[in-house]
Amino acid sequence: GAVVSQHPSRVICKSGTSVKIECRSLDFQATTMFWYRQFPKQSLMLMATSNEGSKATYEQGVEKDKFLINHASLTLSTLTVTSAHPEDSSFYICSASSEDRQYFGPGTRLTVT
Amino acid sequence: AQTVTQSQPEMSVQEAETVTLSCTYDTSESDYYLFWYKQPPSRQMILVIRQEAYKQQNATENRFSVNFQKAAKSFSLKISDSQLGDAAMYFCAYSQDFGNEKLTFGTGTRLTIIP
Repeated sequence: GAVVSQHPSRVICKSGTSVKIECRSLDFQATTMFWYRQFPKQSLMLMATSNEGSKATYEQGVEKDKFLINHASLTLSTLTVTSAHPEDSSFYICSASSEDRQYFGPGTRLTVT
Repeated sequence: AQTVTQSQPEMSVQEAETVTLSCTYDTSESDYYLFWYKQPPSRQMILVIRQEAYKQQNATENRFSVNFQKAAKSFSLKISDSQLGDAAMYFCAYSQDFGNEKLTFGTGTRLTIIP
């Protein structure tokens, strides 16, 4: 099946700094990618929908200036958490769309100290 | 807005037995898609099974099958011959499309397999 990678798998950053998470579809092209956030023992909540070559669509309540999403190519989307704070600590998961389904990345655990 | 509800936070089953996980959803759409995803301790989301709302026949994938009741907006997952590797969080999800539309997830059911 199709493979989606995320990098890094784990990151620790200091409060006030920015961190970038990459999501790549390794063997297929994805015009649409999704970014989800999962807090401990909770479900996945959609943050934004990323379309190649256009601005991302953010879900209600998600700060677009804080969570910058770039989908510059058909195989790469990035999520940048700007001025991170401890409450941004979470598990971030991306998925990439093919014709018949979404393929999920392995996730990135972000810890803000 | 669409909502997905899983009323069983935790379930357990003896190895080799059968277990059913419940899911209900709410939507005003007539065409949509429903999914069950498995999230093992590795946190990697794995698609277990999916159902197109326009299909009356319940989907099956080996030991996994669904009971799709469109009028009742119910979509339960049956796991037969449970195996230790089935232990995971299971999420029910709704989408307007197979791939290009966002997924709305339920709160999940943690399944424990008792040896």
